[in-house]
Amino acid sequence: DAGVTQSPTHLIKTRGQHVTLRCSPISGHKSVSWYQQVLGQGPQFIFQYYEKEERGRGNFPDRFSARQFPNYSSELNVNALLLGDSALYLCASSFATPENSPLHFGNGTRLTVT
Amino acid sequence: QKEVEQNSGPLSVPEGAIASLNCTYSDRGSQSFFWYRQYSGKSPELIMSIYSNGDKEDGRFTAQLNKASQYVSLLIRDSQPSDSATYLCAVQGGSSNTGKLIFGQGTTLQVKP
Repeated sequence: DAGVTQSPTHLIKTRGQHVTLRCSPISGHKSVSWYQQVLGQGPQFIFQYYEKEERGRGNFPDRFSARQFPNYSSELNVNALLLGDSALYLCASSFATPENSPLHFGNGTRLTVT
Repeated sequence: QKEVEQNSGPLSVPEGAIASLNCTYSDRGSQSFFWYRQYSGKSPELIMSIYSNGDKEDGRFTAQLNKASQYVSLLIRDSQPSDSATYLCAVQGGSSNTGKLIFGQGTTLQVKP
C-alpha cells in the first residue's frame, strides 16, 4: 500500500513568491496534518484537517493557509515567502482524528527560499 | 520553558550497549506519548507509543512513562550502528486536545561499531 505522498520533493523559491505543497494521505485516512521542521529542530504543528474541516492551527502567520479536498488530499499554501520559511514541510495522515489514531508521515517537501 | 524538552546530544554509545534517551514535558494533562526515529534527510518514523504509566516493550525498544514526574524515556538494547539517527519525543493531548503533536528538538544518537 502507498504511504503518504507529498509533492514536490524539493522546491526553490525567491522571497515574496507563493508556494503550494501537496499531500495525498494513505488510502482510507481521513485526517491530514501539516508540520514545519527547521533544520536542527523538531517538527512544529501548522494545521490539522479532518473530514475537510480545519480542526487546529498552530502559531503561524496568516501567510500560511491550507485546505482538504473531498478525496482527503490536502494543499498547504504559503504566500509572501520569507527566508525563514525555508524548512522541511511534513504532511501526516491518520485514519481518524489524530488523538485517536497514530500519525504517519510522508517524506516531506524541502523548501528553500533564496 | 519548552513544552517538550530533550537533550540534543549527540549521545554516543558503543555497539551492543544500551542507549537511554530522555524527554520531559510541561503539560500535565498530556495523554499520549510517542517516540519517532528520523534518519538524516528523511521523515519521522513512529517506533513506539505509550499511553499509561510504566514500561512498554517492543523488540529491542522499551518506552517508559512517569506522568507524576512528567517524564518519558526510550531504551534501546543491543544498539546497532543502524540505530544511529535523531530520536524525537512527541506529546499529544493536554490543554488543547486537538490531536496535534508537540515535538522536542530531538536527541542525536551515534552507535559506534
